Amino acid sequence: AQSVSQHNHHVILSEAASLELGCNYSYGGTVNLFWYVQYPGQHLQLLLKYFSGDPLVKGIKGFEAEFIKSKFSFNLRKPSVQWSDTAEYFCAVNRGAGNNDMRFGAGTRLTVKP
Amino acid sequence: DAGITQSPRYKITETGRQVTLMCHQTWSHSYMFWYRQDLGHGLRLIYYSAAADITDKGEVPDGYVVSRSKTENFPLTLESATRSQTSVYFCASSDRNTIYFGEGSWLTVV
Repeated sequence: AQSVSQHNHHVILSEAASLELGCNYSYGGTVNLFWYVQYPGQHLQLLLKYFSGDPLVKGIKGFEAEFIKSKFSFNLRKPSVQWSDTAEYFCAVNRGAGNNDMRFGAGTRLTVKP
Repeated sequence: DAGITQSPRYKITETGRQVTLMCHQTWSHSYMFWYRQDLGHGLRLIYYSAAADITDKGEVPDGYVVSRSKTENFPLTLESATRSQTSVYFCASSDRNTIYFGEGSWLTVV
């Protein structure tokens, strides 16, 4: 079955620490990859997306993600987190060519201690 | 910039009652979606629609009904609510490959 796996359920970091959240998917073929963020009590917002081209994608708020096709991975990174980054982060995948059947990982809750 | 509005935002209903969650988008996106969000499951797709009068099942469609008579509206109906349908429901729309979410509807079935 098609799936999206996020390795960490809950990550706790201190401010200024570096962040890496793992995401792996099991689709073959062309995929589009996304990271969404959900701040407490709010809806999901798009952080960044990868469709093609440079596998290192930069998003908003200093986040970036790297697509490694051979590893079926799309890990999210930020060099120095802030307290305001406390949120839940979701990796999502859909297949290319306009397929809108987007599948989400279970999410990773990030807590940043001030 | 909220092009998707959901109503009601919060609802408590009783087991067995019919409930309809409304979703309206102003972007004229062809695709619309309903997801439910539950602890430990992330987001799961209930139904999606590629255009008016075209709908398809997602991962967890049982107990839900959708319709899409107009491009901008995509209501979700729980025909006979069960406690297991207590969840946060997110409507979304898509401009080809990127999905944009509404603010969610918190539904409690007692």
